[in-house]
Amino acid sequence: RKEVEQDPGPFNVPEGATVAFNCTYSNSASQSFFWYRQDCRKEPKLLMSVYSSGNEDGRFTAQLNRASQYISLLIRDSKLSDSATYLCVVKVGSNYQLIWGAGTKLIIKP
Amino acid sequence: GAVVSQHPSRVICKSGTSVKIECRSLDFQATTMFWYRQFPKQSLMLMATSNEGSKATYEQGVEKDKFLINHASLTLSTLTVTSAHPEDSSFYICSARPPTGGKYEQYFGPGTRLTVT
Repeated sequence: RKEVEQDPGPFNVPEGATVAFNCTYSNSASQSFFWYRQDCRKEPKLLMSVYSSGNEDGRFTAQLNRASQYISLLIRDSKLSDSATYLCVVKVGSNYQLIWGAGTKLIIKP
Repeated sequence: GAVVSQHPSRVICKSGTSVKIECRSLDFQATTMFWYRQFPKQSLMLMATSNEGSKATYEQGVEKDKFLINHASLTLSTLTVTSAHPEDSSFYICSARPPTGGKYEQYFGPGTRLTVT
């Protein structure tokens, strides 16, 4: 079983719609959680950290469910520019190493 | 925000040759830098953790004699792929950990796309 699992997609979503995807992690000792965005052939960029109480940043909402060991990302009012691969990232321990999911590809269609 | 640069951004080399990739933190000192490799449609895989002034720590399955890492200063780490083969063709990304207190765990370089023919 992979340490961090994501549905690879692609999710084909019409512009303006709401889309959500999950990520599951296997290590219950995971401490920190992040969503990164990666455009084709580019480096990943931090989208948002995920806090235990859930957090929102504009159209993006992240949730953490420690009991079920998953995190989620919700995108409201999707834009064409949201098309990208979204990477779920987990930090275990204090050695700053990040465990990466393979990403979920999102395609927003006009 | 902090900037990490990589050079070159793209390189094509012949099988058997060596390639050096540079990773620089431009506006902060990074005692720790990370080297990742990403194959198409796969996740980033950590290859090694580079610590300034000491030997790099390699992940299981990564050959330290093939992927030479040098972190000679607080702003520069280099990855040398020795005797490159076509299966080494990949997207290599470095990242640098900023000083404590920042909201970012790591700042990423733009990546180097290596093609071995």
